[in-house]
Amino acid sequence: KAGVTQTPRYLIKTRGQQVTLSCSPISGHRSVSWYQQTPGQGLQFLFEYFSETQRNKGNFPGRFSGRQFSNSRSEMNVSTLELGDSALYLCASSLAGLLTYNEQFFGPGTRLTVL
Amino acid sequence: SQQGEEDPQALSIQEGENATMNCSYKTSINNLQWYRQNSGRGLVHLILIRSNEREKHSGRLRVTLDTSKKSSSLLITASRAADTASYFCATEEGGADGLTFGKGTHLIIQP
Repeated sequence: KAGVTQTPRYLIKTRGQQVTLSCSPISGHRSVSWYQQTPGQGLQFLFEYFSETQRNKGNFPGRFSGRQFSNSRSEMNVSTLELGDSALYLCASSLAGLLTYNEQFFGPGTRLTVL
Repeated sequence: SQQGEEDPQALSIQEGENATMNCSYKTSINNLQWYRQNSGRGLVHLILIRSNEREKHSGRLRVTLDTSKKSSSLLITASRAADTASYFCATEEGGADGLTFGKGTHLIIQP
Protein backbone atom coordinates (compact mmCIF):
# COMPACT_ATOMS: atom_id res chain seq x y z
CA LYS A 1 0.00 0.00 0.00
CA ALA A 2 1.15 3.51 -0.70
CA GLY A 3 1.91 5.58 2.37
CA VAL A 4 0.47 8.90 3.44
CA THR A 5 1.30 11.62 0.96
CA GLN A 6 1.37 15.34 1.59
CA THR A 7 1.62 18.18 -0.85
CA PRO A 8 3.36 20.45 -1.22
CA ARG A 9 6.49 19.40 0.65
CA TYR A 10 7.81 22.93 1.03
CA LEU A 11 6.05 26.25 1.01
CA ILE A 12 7.13 29.83 1.54
CA LYS A 13 4.49 32.46 2.26
CA THR A 14 4.40 35.98 3.63
CA ARG A 15 2.52 37.26 6.64
CA GLY A 16 -1.15 37.83 6.02
CA GLN A 17 -1.45 35.30 3.22
CA GLN A 18 -3.36 32.07 3.48
CA VAL A 19 -2.23 28.56 2.68
CA THR A 20 -3.84 25.21 1.92
CA LEU A 21 -2.07 21.93 2.58
CA SER A 22 -3.21 18.59 1.24
CA CYS A 23 -3.03 15.06 2.62
CA SER A 24 -3.91 11.72 1.02
CA PRO A 25 -4.27 8.94 3.61
CA ILE A 26 -3.46 5.29 3.22
CA SER A 27 -6.17 3.51 1.28
CA GLY A 28 -8.86 2.28 3.64
CA HIS A 29 -7.98 4.71 6.44
CA ARG A 30 -10.88 6.97 7.27
CA SER A 31 -9.32 8.94 10.10
CA VAL A 32 -6.99 11.80 9.24
CA SER A 33 -5.27 13.90 11.89
CA TRP A 34 -3.13 17.00 11.52
CA TYR A 35 -0.24 18.03 13.76
CA GLN A 36 2.03 21.05 13.92
CA GLN A 37 5.66 20.51 14.85
CA THR A 38 7.94 23.34 15.96
CA PRO A 39 11.24 23.32 17.87
CA GLY A 40 9.70 25.25 20.74
CA GLN A 41 6.32 23.58 21.19
CA GLY A 42 7.04 20.16 19.76
CA LEU A 43 4.24 18.15 18.18
CA GLN A 44 0.81 19.59 18.78
CA PHE A 45 -2.53 18.17 17.70
CA LEU A 46 -4.56 20.40 15.37
CA PHE A 47 -7.65 18.36 14.48
CA GLU A 48 -8.95 14.99 13.38
CA TYR A 49 -11.42 14.16 10.68
CA PHE A 50 -13.41 10.98 10.29
CA SER A 51 -15.94 10.37 7.55
CA GLU A 52 -15.86 14.03 6.49
CA THR A 53 -16.62 15.26 10.02
CA GLN A 54 -14.28 16.98 12.42
CA ARG A 55 -14.25 14.65 15.38
CA ASN A 56 -11.68 16.33 17.61
CA LYS A 57 -9.94 19.67 17.70
CA GLY A 58 -6.82 20.89 19.45
CA ASN A 59 -6.17 24.24 21.03
CA PHE A 60 -5.46 26.35 17.97
CA PRO A 61 -7.08 29.60 16.83
CA GLY A 62 -9.87 29.64 14.29
CA ARG A 63 -7.39 30.64 11.57
CA PHE A 64 -6.59 26.96 11.37
CA SER A 65 -9.29 24.95 9.67
CA GLY A 66 -9.63 21.76 7.75
CA ARG A 67 -11.92 19.50 5.87
CA GLN A 68 -12.15 15.96 4.64
CA PHE A 69 -13.56 14.74 1.38
CA SER A 70 -15.61 11.64 0.64
CA ASN A 71 -12.46 9.80 -0.52
CA SER A 72 -10.86 10.55 2.90
CA ARG A 73 -8.39 13.01 1.46
CA SER A 74 -8.00 16.01 3.71
CA GLU A 75 -6.94 19.61 3.46
CA MET A 76 -6.00 22.10 6.11
CA ASN A 77 -6.09 25.82 5.67
CA VAL A 78 -4.35 28.55 7.60
CA SER A 79 -5.59 32.06 7.00
CA THR A 80 -3.87 35.35 7.83
CA LEU A 81 -0.50 33.72 8.31
CA GLU A 82 1.72 34.81 11.17
CA LEU A 83 5.46 34.33 11.59
CA GLY A 84 4.76 31.85 14.38
CA ASP A 85 2.92 29.57 11.95
CA SER A 86 6.25 28.55 10.47
CA ALA A 87 6.41 24.84 11.20
CA LEU A 88 6.36 21.32 9.89
CA TYR A 89 2.75 20.27 9.37
CA LEU A 90 2.23 16.55 9.62
CA CYS A 91 -0.73 14.56 8.51
CA ALA A 92 -1.46 11.11 9.91
CA SER A 93 -3.99 8.50 8.93
CA SER A 94 -5.23 5.52 10.85
CA LEU A 95 -7.86 2.85 11.13
CA ALA A 96 -10.04 4.79 13.51
CA GLY A 97 -11.11 3.31 16.78
CA LEU A 98 -14.40 4.36 18.30
CA LEU A 99 -12.95 5.96 21.40
CA THR A 100 -9.22 5.54 21.04
CA TYR A 101 -6.39 6.50 18.75
CA ASN A 102 -4.73 3.56 17.09
CA GLU A 103 -1.38 3.44 15.36
CA GLN A 104 -0.90 6.62 13.35
CA PHE A 105 0.80 6.53 9.97
CA PHE A 106 2.46 9.86 9.29
CA GLY A 107 3.22 11.54 6.03
CA PRO A 108 6.53 13.28 5.32
CA GLY A 109 5.08 16.67 6.23
CA THR A 110 4.84 20.09 4.65
CA ARG A 111 7.50 22.55 5.74
CA LEU A 112 5.85 25.97 5.88
CA THR A 113 7.98 29.09 6.18
CA VAL A 114 6.28 32.41 6.80
CA LEU A 115 8.33 35.50 6.01
CA SER B 1 -0.16 21.34 26.55
CA GLN B 2 2.42 18.56 26.92
CA GLN B 3 1.09 15.38 28.44
CA GLY B 4 4.09 13.10 28.06
CA GLU B 5 7.54 14.21 29.08
CA GLU B 6 10.51 12.16 27.98
CA ASP B 7 13.66 11.75 29.97
CA PRO B 8 16.51 12.20 29.22
CA GLN B 9 16.25 14.94 26.62
CA ALA B 10 19.37 13.59 24.93
CA LEU B 11 21.27 10.32 25.14
CA SER B 12 24.51 9.26 23.50
CA ILE B 13 25.69 5.64 23.69
CA GLN B 14 28.02 3.27 21.90
CA GLU B 15 26.76 0.94 19.22
CA GLY B 16 25.76 -2.38 20.74
CA GLU B 17 24.77 -0.91 24.10
CA ASN B 18 21.21 -0.72 25.35
CA ALA B 19 19.30 2.56 25.42
CA THR B 20 16.57 3.33 27.90
CA MET B 21 14.31 6.34 27.79
CA ASN B 22 11.42 7.23 30.01
CA CYS B 23 8.12 8.98 29.62
CA SER B 24 5.92 10.46 32.32
CA TYR B 25 2.38 11.68 31.83
CA LYS B 26 -0.19 13.46 33.90
CA THR B 27 -3.68 12.04 33.47
CA SER B 28 -5.40 8.71 32.90
CA ILE B 29 -4.84 7.27 29.47
CA ASN B 30 -6.34 4.69 27.14
CA ASN B 31 -3.04 3.81 25.57
CA LEU B 32 0.53 5.03 25.20
CA GLN B 33 2.46 4.91 21.97
CA TRP B 34 6.11 5.37 21.08
CA TYR B 35 7.25 6.94 17.83
CA ARG B 36 10.62 7.51 16.22
CA GLN B 37 11.53 10.42 13.99
CA ASN B 38 14.58 10.83 11.84
CA SER B 39 15.26 12.87 8.77
CA GLY B 40 15.21 9.88 6.48
CA ARG B 41 11.94 8.19 7.40
CA GLY B 42 9.90 10.85 9.15
CA LEU B 43 7.72 9.96 12.13
CA VAL B 44 7.20 6.22 12.47
CA HIS B 45 5.08 4.27 14.93
CA LEU B 46 7.07 1.81 17.04
CA ILE B 47 4.74 0.26 19.56
CA LEU B 48 1.40 0.77 21.31
CA ILE B 49 0.71 -0.39 24.84
CA ARG B 50 -2.78 -0.29 26.28
CA SER B 51 -3.57 0.85 29.78
CA ASN B 52 -4.30 -2.71 30.93
CA GLU B 53 -0.94 -4.00 29.70
CA ARG B 54 2.29 -3.83 31.68
CA GLU B 55 4.90 -4.86 29.15
CA LYS B 56 5.19 -5.33 25.42
CA HIS B 57 7.96 -6.46 23.10
CA SER B 58 8.63 -5.85 19.44
CA GLY B 59 11.94 -7.06 18.05
CA ARG B 60 14.68 -5.20 19.93
CA LEU B 61 12.15 -2.94 21.63
CA ARG B 62 10.68 -3.44 25.07
CA VAL B 63 8.09 -1.09 26.49
CA THR B 64 6.77 -1.05 30.02
CA LEU B 65 3.84 0.86 31.41
CA ASP B 66 3.20 1.67 35.06
CA THR B 67 -0.18 3.38 35.31
CA SER B 68 0.15 3.85 39.08
CA LYS B 69 3.26 5.96 38.50
CA LYS B 70 1.99 7.36 35.21
CA SER B 71 5.18 6.40 33.48
CA SER B 72 6.50 4.29 30.64
CA SER B 73 9.93 3.23 29.50
CA LEU B 74 11.30 2.25 26.12
CA LEU B 75 14.31 -0.04 26.00
CA ILE B 76 16.23 -0.56 22.78
CA THR B 77 18.63 -3.46 23.03
CA ALA B 78 21.82 -3.96 21.01
CA SER B 79 21.62 -0.48 19.52
CA ARG B 80 22.65 0.21 15.93
CA ALA B 81 23.68 3.37 14.12
CA ALA B 82 20.30 3.35 12.37
CA ASP B 83 18.60 3.80 15.76
CA THR B 84 19.91 7.38 15.88
CA ALA B 85 16.71 9.42 15.99
CA SER B 86 14.33 11.31 18.26
CA TYR B 87 11.93 9.15 20.23
CA PHE B 88 8.54 10.43 21.35
CA CYS B 89 5.90 9.02 23.62
CA ALA B 90 2.31 9.89 22.81
CA THR B 91 -0.75 9.48 24.97
CA GLU B 92 -4.44 9.90 24.46
CA GLU B 93 -7.17 10.42 26.98
CA GLY B 94 -10.18 8.82 25.37
CA GLY B 95 -9.90 10.47 21.98
CA ALA B 96 -10.81 13.95 23.13
CA ASP B 97 -7.71 15.84 22.12
CA GLY B 98 -5.89 13.61 19.71
CA LEU B 99 -2.52 12.22 20.59
CA THR B 100 -0.43 14.34 22.94
CA PHE B 101 3.28 14.05 22.28
CA GLY B 102 6.19 14.72 24.58
CA LYS B 103 9.16 16.75 23.45
CA GLY B 104 11.21 13.66 22.78
CA THR B 105 14.52 12.04 23.61
CA HIS B 106 17.25 12.57 21.03
CA LEU B 107 19.27 9.36 20.83
CA ILE B 108 22.70 9.26 19.21
CA ILE B 109 24.40 5.94 18.60
CA GLN B 110 28.17 6.32 18.36
CA PRO B 111 29.91 3.82 16.01
